[in-house]
Amino acid sequence: QLQLQESGPGLVKPSETLSLTCAVSGVSTSSSTYYWGWIRQPPGEGLEWIGSIYYSGSTYYNPSLKSRVTISVDTSKSQFSLKLSSVTAADTAIYYCARKPPSGSFYGYFDYWGQGTLVTVSS
Amino acid sequence: EIVLTQSPGTLSLSPGERATLSCRTSQSVTSSYLAWYQQKPGQAPRLLIYGASSRATGIPDRFSGSGSGTDFTLTISRLEPEDFAVYYCQQYGSSPGTFGQGTRLEIK
Repeated sequence: QLQLQESGPGLVKPSETLSLTCAVSGVSTSSSTYYWGWIRQPPGEGLEWIGSIYYSGSTYYNPSLKSRVTISVDTSKSQFSLKLSSVTAADTAIYYCARKPPSGSFYGYFDYWGQGTLVTVSS
Repeated sequence: EIVLTQSPGTLSLSPGERATLSCRTSQSVTSSYLAWYQQKPGQAPRLLIYGASSRATGIPDRFSGSGSGTDFTLTISRLEPEDFAVYYCQQYGSSPGTFGQGTRLEIK
């Protein structure tokens, strides 16, 4: 049974860096089959794709966030991480990690999601 | 960036009725790379449809997707009480992958 679980601080100060980790169980992040991604959702709003990573470390980022985002993978721990720098109140959102199956597209859809974690940016 | 516009914003129907949700894109979607998700309050989105018309694993056959180009539809043939939720479409053929604003399906 595949499970994804986000973890990290629920409160981040403006201008600081948001850091989250997604622990994956049931399948290894070293699998060459899947990409792993981050998606966020401001409270009461829609969804925004942040970026995705392959086990090799290849990444694809949303151009609107690219200058502030870093996604990395640790296959030895079966987890991947998100860092978002210089955060503002506009980055307040539920952050989801998810699995991207093969689709023929680098950007892909997501078939398994974590439960999400709310990150609030406030001083 | 491809913009997805979902309509209606809210759809009020009764259990047993048929629901038709629309997703229109600002540009043609490559290879019908269009997905649909269902989201209930406090839960993560759940994949329903990918490739415009392929049902995800475990999704009941009352859910169907159709369309191509810039015009896509999610149909729920006969609504069950558990189907009342928010539905999002997503295109993943062009960077960045983008989502629609959602259609809320509520009980009439």
